[in-house]
Amino acid sequence: EVQLLESGGNWVQPGGSLRLSCAASGFAFNGYAMTWIRQAPGKGLEWVSSIGDTSSFTYYADSVRGRFTISRDNSKNTLYLHMNSLRAEDTATYYCVKSGWHDTGMADYWGQGTLVTVFS
Amino acid sequence: DIQMTQSPSSLSASVGDRVIVTCRASQSVRTNLNWYQQRPGKAPKLLISAATSLQNGVPSRFSGGASGTDFTLTITSLQPEDFATYYCQQSFSTPYTFGQGTKLEIK
Repeated sequence: EVQLLESGGNWVQPGGSLRLSCAASGFAFNGYAMTWIRQAPGKGLEWVSSIGDTSSFTYYADSVRGRFTISRDNSKNTLYLHMNSLRAEDTATYYCVKSGWHDTGMADYWGQGTLVTVFS
Repeated sequence: DIQMTQSPSSLSASVGDRVIVTCRASQSVRTNLNWYQQRPGKAPKLLISAATSLQNGVPSRFSGGASGTDFTLTITSLQPEDFATYYCQQSFSTPYTFGQGTKLEIK
């Protein structure tokens, strides 16, 4: 059974930093791209970032490029999102998502999400 | 960026009804179109990938259609557990954009 368990969400002041983690199990983590998708309170879904199975590529939404960094440690089956210079508009639930086979953008399994609140 | 336009944004229906949600891409996404269901307080769930491919375990009352840049999600014989919000998403090119969502409510 595929399981994705996010952690690291918290309250932070504008300009602050956080690191989100996602522990993956139940599939060959090193064989799939992974993605972060977020959802602001009461709003729709927004793709944030994706990383290749061997970290050979990383993609970012314009809204986070230069502030967020996606990374992974295949030896620990863990995905990360390093978030710097946080803004109020980054407040959202962040979902760790397993990408589909040969379709990086397709999200076939989701974690339960972790809430990031940016508020002064 | 590719814009995904869903309609309607909300829909009231009764158990047993057939409903159709549409999604239009601003340019070709080939068949890289996915549909997700999100129940209140829960993470989204993938229903259909590649425009028409039903995921394992998803009831057959759900189906996807495609014609050019227009896509449809059809739910036949609505069940109580189907009342949720539905999102389309293109996975053809980054940024992988979502539609704004369609909230399906009980009439």
